[in-house]
Amino acid sequence: GENVEQHPSTLSVQEGDSAVIKCTYSDSASNYFPWYKQELGKRPQLIIDIRSNVGEKKDQRIAVTLNKTAKHFSLHITETQPEDSAVYFCAASEARYNFNKFYFGSGTKLNVKP
Amino acid sequence: ETGVTQSPTHLIKTRGQQVTLRCSSQSGHNTVSWYQQALGQGPQFIFQYYREEENGRGNFPPRFSGLQFPNYSSELNVNALELDDSALYLCASSSYRAPAYEQYFGPGTRLTVT
Repeated sequence: GENVEQHPSTLSVQEGDSAVIKCTYSDSASNYFPWYKQELGKRPQLIIDIRSNVGEKKDQRIAVTLNKTAKHFSLHITETQPEDSAVYFCAASEARYNFNKFYFGSGTKLNVKP
Repeated sequence: ETGVTQSPTHLIKTRGQQVTLRCSSQSGHNTVSWYQQALGQGPQFIFQYYREEENGRGNFPPRFSGLQFPNYSSELNVNALELDDSALYLCASSSYRAPAYEQYFGPGTRLTVT
């Protein structure tokens, strides 16, 4: 099955700096890569996703890049703010018509210092 | 649009007991997935229900079972509880009327087994 590795496990940045979280996957059949933000005691929230036919996607301060050849994808957060502090999870899946099983990374705890 | 809801919020059970967790999918969604999230880890896929049938399962024993109802809500049942079953149980709903990609999570049920 798929194996997703995520680094770093913790990341501390100064407010206004950029943060980068990296994930690798093992199954070349994976075609969908979402990123979730989970604040303490709350549900994971989808913040951005990318499909395998796209190399980069951006939404305001958040961007995701995908390198299918190397089987890795990354989350980039620019101009970080204290409210960005949370645990971020990457996931990979081979999305099919009626089935989509997510394999999650182990998470990155992001701390944005004011 | 109504989001994913889960009940109960918290639950304490004794080893060997049985538990039922409930999930109502987001309005317009017809598929429910269940995940187990141990403390400090990423969610692990348990199984997915589509059109009231289980259509995919992760590495969980048969004592983890589920149901999906005609209104697309779902139950997760766990028999013969073990201490290691203590975790946050998340359900996620998605729609196969659109491309089968995004999954939206509920707030979770925190299960403690003593």
